[in-house]
Amino acid sequence: AQKVTQAQTEISVVEKEDVTLDCVYETRDTTYYLFWYKQPPSGELVFLIRRNSFDEQNEISGRYSWNFQKSTSSFNFTITASQVVDSAVYFCALSGYQAGTALIFGKGTTLSVSS
Amino acid sequence: DTGVSQNPRHKITKRGQNVTFRCDPISEHNRLYWYRQTLGQGPEFLTYFQNEAQLEKSRLLSDRFSAERPKGSFSTLEIQRTEQGDSAMYLCASSVSETQRNEQFFGPGTRLTVL
Repeated sequence: AQKVTQAQTEISVVEKEDVTLDCVYETRDTTYYLFWYKQPPSGELVFLIRRNSFDEQNEISGRYSWNFQKSTSSFNFTITASQVVDSAVYFCALSGYQAGTALIFGKGTTLSVSS
Repeated sequence: DTGVSQNPRHKITKRGQNVTFRCDPISEHNRLYWYRQTLGQGPEFLTYFQNEAQLEKSRLLSDRFSAERPKGSFSTLEIQRTEQGDSAMYLCASSVSETQRNEQFFGPGTRLTVL
């Protein structure tokens, strides 16, 4: 069975702090995709990144970076120099490798950034 | 705006009534998904369409739920004889067909409240 665990329910930081959101997954598939989505207070899920299982290269996009470690089944997300606008619920998700497969989401981590 | 759209955004109904939601995917996407999200949880997969064919249904989709995509464009999700436990955010997502990337783009959701 596929499962995604986001152990951190809520995180509070002060602006400009770095913050890492943890994600651990379980799957029996040898190839799969991992995702991060952001859900701001407005409610709409915003796609942030997709990573396939055979590419363990870390990725950086502006203040965002992702660390994928297949050996520990983790796909962690770091926000550098956090801003108030980063306040949202962040979801990690897992899917099979074929298009059209369902996304399996974790329960999300609520990030609150105060000024 | 060419994103996924959903109507209505909010629906309040009395227990036992039927409700129908509509989703318009991104125009070039032929894959369409429905998810349900309850408070404090990540989205849970309900069903998936490729063009007009419903290819997968979750066991969460009880016989009171029915989804259609008659012409392979917009989709409707109907809930018959609503129950208080149906109160949730119903999310629609779509993805492109030509690649295997499985990136799903979500609409703003329909929030259902059953009184």
